[in-house]
Amino acid sequence: EAQVTQNPRYLITVTGKKLTVTCSQNMNHEYMSWYRQDPGLGLRQIYYSMNVEVTDKGDVPEGYKVSRKEKRNFPLILESPSPNQTSLYFCASSLDAGLGYGYTFGSGTRLTVV
Amino acid sequence: SQKIEQNSEALNIQEGKTATLTCNYTNYSPAYLQWYRQDPGRGPVFLLLIRENEKEKRKERLKVTFDTTLKQSLFHITASQPADSATYLCALDRTSGTYKYIFGTGTRLKVLA
Repeated sequence: EAQVTQNPRYLITVTGKKLTVTCSQNMNHEYMSWYRQDPGLGLRQIYYSMNVEVTDKGDVPEGYKVSRKEKRNFPLILESPSPNQTSLYFCASSLDAGLGYGYTFGSGTRLTVV
Repeated sequence: SQKIEQNSEALNIQEGKTATLTCNYTNYSPAYLQWYRQDPGRGPVFLLLIRENEKEKRKERLKVTFDTTLKQSLFHITASQPADSATYLCALDRTSGTYKYIFGTGTRLKVLA
């Protein structure tokens, strides 16, 4: 089954404790992206990657890091999480977002930072 | 600044009627506009894409229009069913052919049996 897999689904952590949210897709998609979703603000893009070793900032990159060492994986790293990063996070992939292909989204990771 | 607006109020309609959702944007000219469905606690699901040079796109009971003069897209669900109840999001690329997509905050649709 074609899918984007995120782990974990739920995570509660403490301020300052580094964490990684994993994302993997099995569709051989070139393009991957991370979004956070907050009430009233909608989906906001954090980082995106157009291919292996090619990443760029979205609208809200502060406090996040990403890497794309393999085509299928695009982990999101929070080096020092803070409470304002409590949110619902989605990873998404697309055959070529620059040509308008739709995204396939993961099931989401609900992160709480206390 | 670039902005997308979707009606934040929920839309309630009777089963069998046509639901019409609106997506307005300002201060840019996207090459592509997409519509997604999102159920509570789940990731959005891609429904339809329409390009700037297309006026209308259909897929089964769904129809999307794209008016670049009005800077507006309309999303229609005909013969609506309770199973169509969800939040519907529109998304646009920031500028022509870029990889940066902006999503609207979505409109919640409830189809009453």
